[in-house]
Parts: sequence; structure tokens; C-alpha cells
Amino acid sequence: DAKTTQPNSMESNEEEPVHLPCNHSTISGTDYIHWYRQLPSQGPEYVIHGLTSNVNNRMASLAIAEDRKSSTLILHRATLRDAAVYYCILREGRDDKIIFGKGTRLHILP
Amino acid sequence: DAGITQSPRHKVTETGTPVTLRCHQTENHRYMYWYRQDPGHGLRLIHYSYGVKDTDKGEVSDGYSVSRSKTEDFLLTLESATSSQTSVYFCAISLSKSAVSEQFFGPGTRLTVL
Repeated sequence: DAKTTQPNSMESNEEEPVHLPCNHSTISGTDYIHWYRQLPSQGPEYVIHGLTSNVNNRMASLAIAEDRKSSTLILHRATLRDAAVYYCILREGRDDKIIFGKGTRLHILP
Repeated sequence: DAGITQSPRHKVTETGTPVTLRCHQTENHRYMYWYRQDPGHGLRLIHYSYGVKDTDKGEVSDGYSVSRSKTEDFLLTLESATSSQTSVYFCAISLSKSAVSEQFFGPGTRLTVL
């Protein structure tokens, strides 16, 4: 299975942008890059996904490197409610399984 | 929010007793999944279902069985609970099998086996 590498933890100040990195050097051409997050005492929730192009939605933006070996989840203006564990996941095009790594624990400082 | 409920939300039981966890959805999604989450391991897939009476094993299925007799319900059974099955259990649903399909997760069940 394709694997991802994320920092264990990051800190950011409230109301500032946050850039969460993810390395996936062994990504294959059919792997989609997904991000989920897990707020304290809750189940994971979908954030965003992409294949080759950068993507934006109401929660975040996803910037994908041209060689697709890395990506960055961007929270444009962090709030205290964004404190969570963020998981970067690769999903093969025809596979529904999600393999969760340990993710990045994001701390937001007031 | 997706209509997913899990019951019970918390349970304490003793080693050797049977335990059944229930996942109920109101979204009519065909695909359902059971995960467990332990410190240092992230979420791991236990069993999954592609429809009524269509189930299969995931990464950590030993000691667990599942049943799906109705689209809306997916049951996870620990036939004889062990302390190693102390964990938080999450149910998830998905509309399709595609890798672009979002999985929606329930609130979780915290199970403690003494």
C-alpha cells in the first residue's frame, strides 16, 4: 500500500493560515490524495481530496506538487475548532478501503 | 451530518462475555465499515460490508464477526471479549466503492474489557 509521511504535531496561532505537509513519494498514477481530520472525541470527517490539480472547498485547500510526491493541506484562517488530528491518505482509484496513518496533531494557540 | 448512530456509546464488560455493537444509518448507503482505534495505531479496518448479507474481513478481523441483515444496520460482535479488544470502535458508511467517495463516520463506541 502506498504510504504517507506527516509530522507528528504542529502548532499554529489562531486566525493565521496553517500549512500541513504530507509526503507520498511512492504514489502511483491512480492514487487519490485524501485528507480527513478527527476532532477530539469524535469520528474522522472528510476534508478534501484531489488527484493532480489543486482543489478548494469550504473547509480547506489542497495543493499538490507537480510530481505528486507531496501535498499540502491549507487552512486559510485557523480557529480553535480546527484543533484536531489531520490524516493524509492515499486511495487507489478502484479501492474503497481507507488506511489511516498516525496523522498530524494540530494545536491552535489562542 | 450523515445520519449514523452507534450504540451503545460506552460499554464496560468482563473478559469472556459476548458483546454486540450496533451501527445504524438513515442514509441508505450500501457500503459500511467497522474500524477500531487504539493509541499509536490510528484507525484499523475490522470488517466491511458491500450490502445485505455481503461482508468481508479487514485488516484486524480476528475475534470479531459481523452481520448485516438490513441495509441500515451493521452489527459487530465480539464472541468472547478479551482485554486486547478494549478500544474505541467507529462505524463508517459510504455511497459508493470508488476511491473518490467520502466515508462518513459515526460518533464511536468506547469499549472497555476488564
